[in-house]
Amino acid sequence: AQKVTQAQTEISVVEKEDVTLDCVYETRDTTYYLFWYKQPPSGELVFLIRRNSFDEQNEISGRYSWNFQKSTSSFNFTITASQVVDSAVYFCALSEAGGSASKIIFGSGTRLSIRP
Amino acid sequence: EPEVTQTPSHQVTQMGQEVILRCVPISNHLYFYWYRQILGQKVEFLVSFYNNEISEKSEIFDDQFSVERPDGSNFTLKIRSTKLEDSAMYFCASSEGAGGKSSNQPQHFGDGTRLSIL
Repeated sequence: AQKVTQAQTEISVVEKEDVTLDCVYETRDTTYYLFWYKQPPSGELVFLIRRNSFDEQNEISGRYSWNFQKSTSSFNFTITASQVVDSAVYFCALSEAGGSASKIIFGSGTRLSIRP
Repeated sequence: EPEVTQTPSHQVTQMGQEVILRCVPISNHLYFYWYRQILGQKVEFLVSFYNNEISEKSEIFDDQFSVERPDGSNFTLKIRSTKLEDSAMYFCASSEGAGGKSSNQPQHFGDGTRLSIL
């Protein structure tokens, strides 16, 4: 069975601090995809990254970086030098590669608040 | 950049009424999805649709729900007799799905329709 766990329900930091959002996943498939989405107060889902299970290279995009470790089934997300505009709910998600139309399973989300 | 379009952005309906949520997926996409997010909770998969039929549905997607692709561009979610607990944000998504495997291609999400049942 697929499962995504985001143990941190809420995080609050002061602007310019670094913050890491944790994500642990479970899947029986050897081929799968991991995602992070941002949901600002306006409600839409903003795609941040997709990573396939064969690519364990860490990725950096501006102030965002992702650490994928298959050994611990984790896909953590770090925001460096946080800004108030980073305040949102962040969802980690998983999609298995089997089947013709693969659903995305979302974690319960981490609400990130950046204080000025 | 092409995007998934959902209408309306907010729908208010009386309990027991039927409601149809509309989505226009990206034009060359073949796989279509509906997800639901009750306020303050996580996004949950409802149903996936490919080749004019349902590929998979969750336990949430009971007989009250149906999906349809009535023409070449729209993808709709119908709730036959709405309940208070159907109040949620509903997201449509689509993916291109090369080689018969939709997960090879990313899903693109619309901005959602907020459904409020009174």
